[in-house]
Amino acid sequence: QKEVEQDPGPLSVPEGAIVSLNCTYSNSAFQYFMWYRQYSRKGPELLMYTYSSGNKEDGRFTAQVDKSSKYISLFIRDSQPSDSATYLCAGYSGNTPLVFGKGTRLSVIA
Amino acid sequence: KAGVTQTPRYLIKTRGQQVTLSCSPISGHRSVSWYQQTPGQGLQFLFEYFSETQRNKGNFPGRFSGRQFSNSRSEMNVSTLELGDSALYLCASSLGRGGGGTEAFFGQGTRLTVV
Repeated sequence: QKEVEQDPGPLSVPEGAIVSLNCTYSNSAFQYFMWYRQYSRKGPELLMYTYSSGNKEDGRFTAQVDKSSKYISLFIRDSQPSDSATYLCAGYSGNTPLVFGKGTRLSVIA
Repeated sequence: KAGVTQTPRYLIKTRGQQVTLSCSPISGHRSVSWYQQTPGQGLQFLFEYFSETQRNKGNFPGRFSGRQFSNSRSEMNVSTLELGDSALYLCASSLGRGGGGTEAFFGQGTRLTVV
C-alpha cells in the first residue's frame, strides 16, 4: 500500500461547482499535509498546507485533515476554468521527504 | 526573487546513454531535493542534498546519482539509460534540510525521453 493514495480522476465539473478532492494516508508520523497544484508542463506549486488535524481556508480553497481516519480533503468553491490542473496531496513528517499522492486531474468546463 | 531553475527543459536520449540534469535553487536555499514524476507512479523521491551532502535517498537503483556544489546548485546523473527512465524530473529547493516540507519550491522540471 502506498503511503498516500489519491484517486487520479480525471474529474470534470462545470464552472461554479464545488470541487472535492481527497486523499488517504497510512503513515501516522505525518504532521503536515500539503496540497500542490500542477499546471501542464509546469512544476508543482504549493497551494496550502495544514498542520495536524483541522481546517484551513484560503479564499476559495479549504483544506481539511482528519487524522483519526487518515483522510485529507481539498474543497474548491466557485470553481473556475483556471483551476483546471492536477492537484497533488502530500504528507510530511518534518525530517523526511515529502510523500505525494499520484495526483487528481481536474477540468473545470466553462 | 528568481525561482528554481532547471536545465535543460527537454532532453531526448538513447538507451544506454547517460544524462546530467541541473538545478539552481532559490538564492539562499541550501537544500535541493530531486523527484521523478511519471503517469504510473506519480512523484517519487530520488534524493536530497543539503550543504553538499546527500541527506536522504529514495528507492532508486545506483544508476541514479547526484551531487551538490558549494553554491548549492545540484546535478543529477542517470547512467545506462533505460526506456523506463522517461519521466519529468523535478527539483525542489528549500532553506533547511529535510526536504523543505511547507517551504519547498519546485522548478519547472526537465522532461527526459529515452528512445
